[in-house]
Amino acid sequence: AQSVAQPEDQVNVAEGNPLTVKCTYSVSGNPYLFWYVQYPNRGLQFLLKYITGDNLVKGSYGFEAEFNKSQTSFHLKKPSALVSDSALYFCAVRDGTAGNKLTFGGGTRVLVKP
Amino acid sequence: DAMVIQNPRYQVTQFGKPVTLSCSQTLNHNVMYWYQQKSSQAPKLLFHYYDKDFNNEADTPDNFQSRRPNTSFCFLDIRSPGLGDAAMYLCATSRDKPGRETQYFGPGTRLLVL
Repeated sequence: AQSVAQPEDQVNVAEGNPLTVKCTYSVSGNPYLFWYVQYPNRGLQFLLKYITGDNLVKGSYGFEAEFNKSQTSFHLKKPSALVSDSALYFCAVRDGTAGNKLTFGGGTRVLVKP
Repeated sequence: DAMVIQNPRYQVTQFGKPVTLSCSQTLNHNVMYWYQQKSSQAPKLLFHYYDKDFNNEADTPDNFQSRRPNTSFCFLDIRSPGLGDAAMYLCATSRDKPGRETQYFGPGTRLLVL
């Protein structure tokens, strides 16, 4: 089965500093990778995805992610974090061995301090 | 503009009393999904409909059922809720079959079982 790992349960960053949320994956075949954000008591909001093409993917709210095939990583980044970016972030991968459903990582809580 | 709508946002039921959660979409997407999410953990897929074709996950308890009477609506029925079924239930849609397609989530229904 495919899998995705988010090694950090929580990331703390000061407002205005760069934000990175890590994600590594294990798939057979071509990886389809997604990032979602979840605010308290809300559903998941789509940020960006990598299917093919440029390794640097730009998404919503100033976020971007870099697909690195050799390191099997898809880290989410934002050059300058805002307090409003504080939320729960999920990386997900298409699981081609299970009907192409999304397999989610365990989530990373981001806390941006003023 | 709301695209995936879930009602109610909060639902309280009694142990063993059947409950139905509803989801509607204005995207005219072919696929609708139901996820269960506990305590900020990763969402867990329960089942999905591709048009009228129902796809159940192997580990989804029989206590959980779903109906999709038309393209726009999908329902989650919990026949005899237990305390362990208290969770956030997320509905999502995608234009086409799982894989490359982005899933769009509703705001969720938080279920409390007394």
